[in-house]
Amino acid sequence: AQKVTQAQTEISVVEKEDVTLDCVYETRDTTYYLFWYKQPPSGELVFLIRRNSFDEQNEISGRYSWNFQKSTSSFNFTITASQVVDSAVYFCALSEAGYGQNFVFGPGTRLSVLP
Amino acid sequence: DGGITQSPKYLFRKEGQNVTLSCEQNLNHDAMYWYRQDPGQGLRLIYYSQIVNDFQKGDIAEGYSVSREKKESFPLTVTSAQKNPTAFYLCASTRTMNSYGYTFGSGTRLTVV
Repeated sequence: AQKVTQAQTEISVVEKEDVTLDCVYETRDTTYYLFWYKQPPSGELVFLIRRNSFDEQNEISGRYSWNFQKSTSSFNFTITASQVVDSAVYFCALSEAGYGQNFVFGPGTRLSVLP
Repeated sequence: DGGITQSPKYLFRKEGQNVTLSCEQNLNHDAMYWYRQDPGQGLRLIYYSQIVNDFQKGDIAEGYSVSREKKESFPLTVTSAQKNPTAFYLCASTRTMNSYGYTFGSGTRLTVV
């Protein structure tokens, strides 16, 4: 069965600090996709990144970076030089290939960036 | 601009009443989904639809009903059989069932009073 764990319920940092959000997943499939979504106070989920199970190359996009390690089943997300606008709930999600409806979300991590 | 529109943003329901949440998309997506979000929990799938006039139950379909008469619309009815309907409801769509990029609406917060 699929499962996504985000052990950090809430994190508070001061602006300009770096922060890493942890995500650990479980799946029996060898082909799967991992996602990060951001949910600002407005409620809408905003897509941040998708990574497939065959691509362990880590990615940097501006202040965001992702660290995918299949050996530890982790897909962590780092924000560098955090800003107040980064305050949101961040969800990690897993989807097994071929089943678009089997999209499992983690419980989310609420990030508060204080000025 | 293309996107998903959910209405209303806030909805209050008396116990025993049915209410319908609207979800409209102009993205020409085939697949649409309804999720429920509770505090401290991830999103849970209520219903999904791959094409017009077809829909399937998700993990927590009891107490809910849907219809898909038009490609653009996927309304969700929360019936009186739903024992704990107070939650945040999100509608999403994908181009096809095998697409992996969800587009989400901005959600409807339902409160039972």
